Amino acid sequence: GAVVSQHPSRVICKSGTSVKIECRSLDFQATTMFWYRQFPKQSLMLMATSNEGSKATYEQGVEKDKFLINHASLTLSTLTVTSAHPEDSSFYICSARTSGGAGEQFFGPGTRLTVL
Amino acid sequence: SQKIEQNSEALNIQEGKTATLTCNYTNYSPAYLQWYRQDPGRGPVFLLLIRENEKEKRKERLKVTFDTTLKQSLFHITASQPADSATYLCALGDNDMRFGAGTRLTVKP
Repeated sequence: GAVVSQHPSRVICKSGTSVKIECRSLDFQATTMFWYRQFPKQSLMLMATSNEGSKATYEQGVEKDKFLINHASLTLSTLTVTSAHPEDSSFYICSARTSGGAGEQFFGPGTRLTVL
Repeated sequence: SQKIEQNSEALNIQEGKTATLTCNYTNYSPAYLQWYRQDPGRGPVFLLLIRENEKEKRKERLKVTFDTTLKQSLFHITASQPADSATYLCALGDNDMRFGAGTRLTVKP
């Protein structure tokens, strides 16, 4: 099946710093990529949807200036958490879809962010 | 408001039995519904997709039903094994998928 990778898998940073997380589709072209956040024992919450070459669409309550998303190519999307604070500590997961509309999403392994 | 509810947070069953998980939704008219498996510290893994015009779908020991009148999907694992222990998520949405809270299944030997 299609493989999606994320880097880094785990990051610890100081409060106030910015962290970039990469999401790559390894063997297919992803027209759409999604970013989710998951707190312990909770479900995945969709943060934003990004289509290659266009601006991301953010969910209500997600600050676009704090969570910068760049989908520069059909195989790479990045999420930058700017000026991270302890409350941003979470499990961030990306997914990718090969075509618009219906279809399964392929998820990355996730990135555990801890902000001290 | 739109809601996706999975019947229980946790389900414990004995090995060999059939596990049945429920997903109910409100204020959605999905063209399809998906089930995913998630292990601790990992991203979800796709299991099955069922379309609105399909009543039932099977894959090996997995079976999914979809009742658009009841707005409900049932997910069954037959002949369950300890390796089936995980959190199972249902997901809805056409362009942007949203997940239920998940049911944590534990299969005891």
